[in-house]
Amino acid sequence: GAVVSQHPSRVICKSGTSVKIECRSLDFQATTMFWYRQFPKQSLMLMATSNEGSKATYEQGVEKDKFLINHASLTLSTLTVTSAHPEDSSFYICSALRWDRGHTEAFFGQGTRLTVV
Amino acid sequence: DAKTTQPTSMDCAEGRAANLPCNHSTISGNEYVYWYRQIHSQGPQYIIHGLKNNETNEMASLIITEDRKSSTLILPHATLRDTAVYYCIVRGRNTNAGKSTFGDGTTLTVKP
Repeated sequence: GAVVSQHPSRVICKSGTSVKIECRSLDFQATTMFWYRQFPKQSLMLMATSNEGSKATYEQGVEKDKFLINHASLTLSTLTVTSAHPEDSSFYICSALRWDRGHTEAFFGQGTRLTVV
Repeated sequence: DAKTTQPTSMDCAEGRAANLPCNHSTISGNEYVYWYRQIHSQGPQYIIHGLKNNETNEMASLIITEDRKSSTLILPHATLRDTAVYYCIVRGRNTNAGKSTFGDGTTLTVKP
């Protein structure tokens, strides 16, 4: 199956600093990627849709100036958490869409555990 | 996307079949049923999907009722490594419908 890789898998940062998370589709091109956030014992919550070459579309309640998304190439989307605070500590997951025989399929990365101290 | 409802949790004995139900009574004609699972602290893993016919792959079988309002994921011989949260999702097939709306899923615990 298709592979989506996230980096780093876990990161600890100080409050007030910024953290960048990368999401790469390793063996296919993805014009669309999605970013999710998951708090402990909760389900995945969609944060934004990342489109190659255009601005991301954010879900209601997600601050676009705090969660910067850049989808500069067909295989890479990045999520930057700016001025991170402890309440931003969460599990961040990306998915990439692959078009296959008239059907789109979503493949997920392994997730990034962010801890803000 | 159509809303789905799943039981919060289920137990299954190792080696037995695990049958996980999902209700999706508001599914529309062009929406597929997808199943994913998430093992602790990992990203979701695709299991199987279907439109209206039953499907089988190396991981599981998917049984969709004739009216498409519910489905059942079957793990034929559950192992301890199948312990995970299982998500049933319905969504369209085109690019704009590719985002997945996750419900709370079913926590399956496979016991020795």
